Amino acid sequence: AQRVTQPEKLLSVFKGAPVELKCNYSYSGSPELFWYVQYSRQRLQLLLRHISRESIKGFTADLNKGETSFHLKKPFAQEEDSAMYYCALSGGNQGGKLIFGQGTELSVKP
Amino acid sequence: EAGVAQSPRYKIIEKRQSVAFWCNPISGHATLYWYQQILGQGPKLLIQFQNNGVVDDSQLPKDRFSAERLKGVDSTLKIQPAKLEDSAVYLCASTSGYKDTQYFGPGTRLTVL
Repeated sequence: AQRVTQPEKLLSVFKGAPVELKCNYSYSGSPELFWYVQYSRQRLQLLLRHISRESIKGFTADLNKGETSFHLKKPFAQEEDSAMYYCALSGGNQGGKLIFGQGTELSVKP
Repeated sequence: EAGVAQSPRYKIIEKRQSVAFWCNPISGHATLYWYQQILGQGPKLLIQFQNNGVVDDSQLPKDRFSAERLKGVDSTLKIQPAKLEDSAVYLCASTSGYKDTQYFGPGTRLTVL
C-alpha cells in the first residue's frame, strides 16, 4: 500500500532550536518525495523535493531509502517557520498525483 | 504570473443539496488535479485531468461526484447530493507536466449541515 506517515500532529520548539519533522513512507518502487508548506491564510506551496537536493529557507531533507524516511530538518528555527508541513510522495507511474501525509503543525515560540 | 483561481471560497449547504466548484488553472498548464482535504488530514486526490481527458478518477465517489474539463482549461467539480462527510476543503492544482511542480489554488471550504 502507498502511504505517507507523519507521526507528529504538532511540534513546538523555541526560536533558535533545531527542528526535525518526521516523514516515513511506504511505496513499492522509486517514489519522488516532497515537502509542502502552508503558512497561515496562504495556499499550499512546494518547499522542496528530494531530487533537487536544495536547501530552501534553511530547510533540508534527505531521502533514506533503507529506512523509507524523508525527514525535514532545520538547524535554527525562526518564528516565521510556524506553519503546517505536509510530506508527500509521487510514484513514477502514477501520473504525478501526490499522496500526502496528515501534516505536522510547527509552532516556533519566541 | 497569475496563480490557480478557485471559486467560491466558502460554501454552506444542507445535506442532499447540490454544489459546484470552479477552478481556473495557470495558463498553459495541461494537467489539473482536484484534491479533497478533510479537517486534520492531508489532501487526497479525487481526479486528475490531462487536457480535457481523465487520467485518474479511481478515488472519486462517482455516485455523487462528477467533474469535467470540457475545453482543457477551466474545470468544475460537482457534488449531487451532498452528504455530511463531504464537508472539507476542495483544492485544485495544476502543472505544466506531471513531473513538474504542482501549484495549488486557495481552495473552497464546503460545510454540509
